[in-house]
Amino acid sequence: GQNIDQPTEMTATEGAIVQINCTYQTSGFNGLFWYQQHAGEAPTFLSYNVLDGLEEKGRFSSFLSRSKGYSYLLLKELQMKDSASYLCAVLDSNYQLIWGAGTKLIIKP
Amino acid sequence: GAVVSQHPSRVICKSGTSVKIECRSLDFQATTMFWYRQFPKQSLMLMATSNEGSKATYEQGVEKDKFLINHASLTLSTLTVTSAHPEDSSFYICSARIGDREAFFGQGTRLTVV
Repeated sequence: GQNIDQPTEMTATEGAIVQINCTYQTSGFNGLFWYQQHAGEAPTFLSYNVLDGLEEKGRFSSFLSRSKGYSYLLLKELQMKDSASYLCAVLDSNYQLIWGAGTKLIIKP
Repeated sequence: GAVVSQHPSRVICKSGTSVKIECRSLDFQATTMFWYRQFPKQSLMLMATSNEGSKATYEQGVEKDKFLINHASLTLSTLTVTSAHPEDSSFYICSARIGDREAFFGQGTRLTVV
């Protein structure tokens, strides 16, 4: 079956750095997405990786290792507004999005 | 980025009535749209794939007679929850993709059936 694992919840301090991991086992791979979702709102796009390596976009970076079935989202200089759920999703061989359950990130002052 | 507009954002309806949710792609044409359902503290669950001009493809376990999907144009897909019951109360989200990559989401609809 297809499976995406990410931690349920993480806590970090304002101004610090946090890394949210995602491992996946899917039938085929056509890219991995990270989305941010605030409570009661729809997800918003953060990043897309299809090749191995690190993609940096401002305070957020996303890394992919296809051979390991592994990705992480790195958030730097954490702000209180970064408190949200972070969803990892993989596009499988049928171009269907397979979603992880999300990681709830709690930022403390 | 591309904009997907979903309406209404919140709706409360009586048990047994029907509710229609609209999803529009505002600045691009979406031949395919996706409807998700999300329960509290859970991930997105794909309900169906809506294809312009043809029947929707429903995921296993989703009742197609209860969740009617219409994709009559390249910019509009609608989801109608028929004969709603309290257990249908949930957060419904639509999305559209440009090509085979990035998905853009509507704002979501919080449905409460009383």
